[in-house]
Amino acid sequence: KAGVTQTPRYLIKTRGQQVTLSCSPISGHRSVSWYQQTPGQGLQFLFEYFSETQRNKGNFPGRFSGRQFSNSRSEMNVSTLELGDSALYLCASSPRGQGATEAFFGQGTRLTVV
Amino acid sequence: SQQGEEDPQALSIQEGENATMNCSYKTSINNLQWYRQNSGRGLVHLILIRSNEREKHSGRLRVTLDTSKKSSSLLITASRAADTASYFCATGIQGAQKLVFGQGTRLTINP
Repeated sequence: KAGVTQTPRYLIKTRGQQVTLSCSPISGHRSVSWYQQTPGQGLQFLFEYFSETQRNKGNFPGRFSGRQFSNSRSEMNVSTLELGDSALYLCASSPRGQGATEAFFGQGTRLTVV
Repeated sequence: SQQGEEDPQALSIQEGENATMNCSYKTSINNLQWYRQNSGRGLVHLILIRSNEREKHSGRLRVTLDTSKKSSSLLITASRAADTASYFCATGIQGAQKLVFGQGTRLTINP
């Protein structure tokens, strides 16, 4: 089975722009979560989708949004980028909910906001 | 905010020695998981221990869980240079549909 695929791997954006990150989960996995990793805050949960429905959301501003398609692929969007949004964004998939079983992570998208 | 703390934040040992990392958490959990991350890349799942289990083994890994103390430890025996990485504990909370991560322990194995 192919693993979790995140695209692009690296992005450089300017403050005020918006960005869309993509995640293709492992085939058959219906739960997809997104995490932000920064040196200061560590790994923080953004949101989780299951069968196209957002089931949980972390404490991030509304500039951070996501969606999931019928094939379980997911995208997250960040609008009006700020310097503090520079981070490694990780996507994880699992067969069921991500409090119940192990999660499989992609390699991440490194976003740099200048 | 993070669920808990990991201790130590950094650990440097000689190849062949054992490495022990500790994790504490704050709320009731469904399970506790350990992940490894190499140089800012993706996380790799190592082991999952359920709240009704006390100890679990996987190869050179041994995990213990003490729910009364809300703590867990990860032991890596006979360490190798390839074990150099950051190790994170993560708690799975029933119904929350998310993992809550600790700050991680940076492990360095010196040849």
